[in-house]
Amino acid sequence: KNQVEQSPQSLIILEGKNCTLQCNYTVSPFSNLRWYKQDTGRGPVSLTIMTFSENTKSNGRYTATLDADTKQSSLHITASQLSDSASYICVVSAAGGGNKLTFGTGTQLKVEL
Amino acid sequence: EPEVTQTPSHQVTQMGQEVILRCVPISNHLYFYWYRQILGQKVEFLVSFYNNEISEKSEIFDDQFSVERPDGSNFTLKIRSTKLEDSAMYFCASSEYLTGIGEQYFGPGTRLTVT
Repeated sequence: KNQVEQSPQSLIILEGKNCTLQCNYTVSPFSNLRWYKQDTGRGPVSLTIMTFSENTKSNGRYTATLDADTKQSSLHITASQLSDSASYICVVSAAGGGNKLTFGTGTQLKVEL
Repeated sequence: EPEVTQTPSHQVTQMGQEVILRCVPISNHLYFYWYRQILGQKVEFLVSFYNNEISEKSEIFDDQFSVERPDGSNFTLKIRSTKLEDSAMYFCASSEYLTGIGEQYFGPGTRLTVT
């Protein structure tokens, strides 16, 4: 069964600090991996999408990495801001799956002063 | 910037009643999806829809659920006889492409509460 696991479950950091969130997946055959940001009570918003051949992709202060061999990904947030407080969700799409997405449970990030 | 919209934002209904959740996908998108998120749990795929028919559906999407594109703009999810466990946030999404890295854009969601 396709699964996506994330760690940590929750994280509190001070404004301005960096953090790294982890994702492991067992989705096969792999098509692409996405990181989404979800504010409470809102729909997920895409941050990055990476295919099998991509090792890293950046979007502003967000940098995602992908190791397709070990089936691991990370999301690094640089110089965190209060507005970064949200759930960060790792999502994997299987090849031939009609773009059906398998979601992780998310890491709840809180940025404090 | 184009966005996916959903109505209503919150729907309260009694167990056994029918509900219809509405979505307006981004206008040039051809692929449509419904997801649900039970409070405190992860987002789960329900169904994908293309060319007026279901492309794929999950085990959750049983005979109580149906989807329809009644006109050129709306995409609806109907739950025929709601159960308490149907209480969740329902997200509609749309994408321009199906395969590869088709970006899916999510709506703000409809919170369904079944009492």
